[in-house]
Amino acid sequence: NAGVTQTPKFQVLKTGQSMTLQCAQDMNHEYMSWYRQDPGMGLRLIHYSVGAGITDQGEVPNGYNVSRSTTEDFPLRLLSAAPSQTSVYFCASRSTGGAEGYTFGSGTRLTVV
Amino acid sequence: AQSVTQLGSHVSVSEGALVLLRCNYSSSVPPYLFWYVQYPNQGLQLLLKYTSAATLVKGINGFEAEFKKSETSFHLTKPSAHMSDAAEYFCAVTLYSSASKIIFGSGTRLSIRP
Repeated sequence: NAGVTQTPKFQVLKTGQSMTLQCAQDMNHEYMSWYRQDPGMGLRLIHYSVGAGITDQGEVPNGYNVSRSTTEDFPLRLLSAAPSQTSVYFCASRSTGGAEGYTFGSGTRLTVV
Repeated sequence: AQSVTQLGSHVSVSEGALVLLRCNYSSSVPPYLFWYVQYPNQGLQLLLKYTSAATLVKGINGFEAEFKKSETSFHLTKPSAHMSDAAEYFCAVTLYSSASKIIFGSGTRLSIRP
């Protein structure tokens, strides 16, 4: 089925460890984003990309890196995990223009101990 | 810059009652507006969208929303609540642009009483 695929679905990290959250879409969408969702705070934008080779910061970028080498993939890297990064992470994509809205992945639940 | 405010972090209604979830937006130019629904432990699913065509928009599961420019509102309604409507609902706004970000409200959790 076409859509946005996120892996892994669950992850437990120790403080200081690094990891990469994977995101892939097969809809040829130019625009991809990473959000984190925390109770009572809605979705906050971490990083986004308007096309291969182009990325920019959202409202909460600290502690995260992204790259966009292909249209399909947009991985999110945690460089040195901290307990404050415990959250649910969503990847989303949309076509250029925005009228169709986002298609979301099913999320990655990350716990940092 | 655009923004969106959802009034009420939690709304509780009885089964069969009217559902009204409020959303107000701020935008310097006509926006695109969306409502998303999130069921427990799932991602967000598009419920409906306004993209400058009809001001009354119908979505899935019997929901609809009306774009009111004079009130800068895009409230979500459903005439008769069903137990399966219990979820979190997010209003979102964006502008027509390849580089425009989608900004989400903080969400409203809808509970349905038997």
